[in-house]
This record gives sequence, C-alpha cells and structure tokens, in this order.
Amino acid sequence: ETGVTQSPTHLIKTRGQQVTLRCSSQSGHNTVSWYQQALGQGPQFIFQYYREEENGRGNFPPRFSGLQFPNYSSELNVNALELDDSALYLCASSLFWIGQGNTEAFFGQGTRLTVV
Amino acid sequence: ILNVEQSPQSLHVQEGDSTNFTCSFPSSNFYALHWYRWETAKSPEALFVMTLNGDEKKKGRISATLNTKEGYSYLYIKGSQPEDSATYLCAFNDYKLSFGAGTTVTVRA
Repeated sequence: ETGVTQSPTHLIKTRGQQVTLRCSSQSGHNTVSWYQQALGQGPQFIFQYYREEENGRGNFPPRFSGLQFPNYSSELNVNALELDDSALYLCASSLFWIGQGNTEAFFGQGTRLTVV
Repeated sequence: ILNVEQSPQSLHVQEGDSTNFTCSFPSSNFYALHWYRWETAKSPEALFVMTLNGDEKKKGRISATLNTKEGYSYLYIKGSQPEDSATYLCAFNDYKLSFGAGTTVTVRA
C-alpha cells in the first residue's frame, strides 16, 4: 500500500504566474483535501474533492482551483500568484469523505511553494 | 472561521519526563477531533480520531482525552524520548479539518 505522494517537493514561481501541484492518493482512497500552511500557522483548509466533485471549500479566492481524476489523484491550481501564496501545500487522502465516521486523513509531505 | 487553539506553543522536556498539552475547540456542533504528530521533513502522522465525550485513546506512550462539553482535549506523553520531538497538531472536524497552530515538543537527552 503506497502512501500519499506530492510533486514537486519544492517550487519557485514569479508573481503573476500560474502553478499546478499534484497529489497521488493512498490506494483505495476516494477523497482528497488540500491545505495551505503559512509560517507559524496551522494548515488551512482550501477544498476537498470526493469522487471527483468538489465537496467543501475554505476561505480561498477562486484563483485557487482543483481537480480530482478517476484514479482519485488530484491537482491544485493557483492562478495569478501573489507573494502571500508562498507556503507549504499539503494534500491528504481518506478512505471516505472526511465528515463520515472515524475517517482518518493521511497526508503527503507537502510542496513548498515560493513566490518571488 | 473556527477557533482551534493549542497551548503551549512550544515546550522543552527532559528525557524520561512526562508532559501534556491542550487543544481547545468550539463545544457546539462537535463531530470529531483529530491529533497528528509532525516530525520535521516528514508527513503529518495521524495519532487519534476522537468522537465521544470522555473518550480516551492510547498509542504506545502517547494518550489523549476528550471533553466535548467544555471543548478541550489533552495529549499526554509518558516518559518522553528524543524521538517524541515533533509538532503535535489537533484538528476539529466539522466536515473539514480546522487545525490549531500546534505544540512543538523538544525532548532533551
């Protein structure tokens, strides 16, 4: 059973550019959620995908968008990058929708995005 | 925005000593509380998912209790070891995870 993997591990982008981050779910997991962790803060929920549909969104602007594919892997896209988007982006997968029962979320190691 | 607070922000513990720290969360509309351990350069590791008031869970030397009526959870580390050095995160589950900022534990040999 493979764990959650994210790519790339590090990324440097220029303000105004667009970026795509990728996440491979743990085998058999149909739910993926994305989190942003800025320095000194806990991870902040961006959105969750359940069986390829967005199922909950945090307080992030529309330039943050995502996709979940039939194999349940996922992408996070951020358009018009701003300096404040510099953060660690974490992806988590779970066997069920996070609101269902005692569902655990399993995290990847994250992608460190730096916007200059 | 849910207010999940953890205290203290950091603590230093002598090897062999026991310690505990707190996560406070809204007491209304409780669904579940998650605890994670996050070591540097690794993925956050799930420790516990707690759903019932009065719940106590244990994993090795680490245990946690839950009080949903007053909105807090304690995490205990018994006989701390250097490998326990990590940031411990709690997350309130209201159909998404709302995290606290974490308690960073450093165990000194």
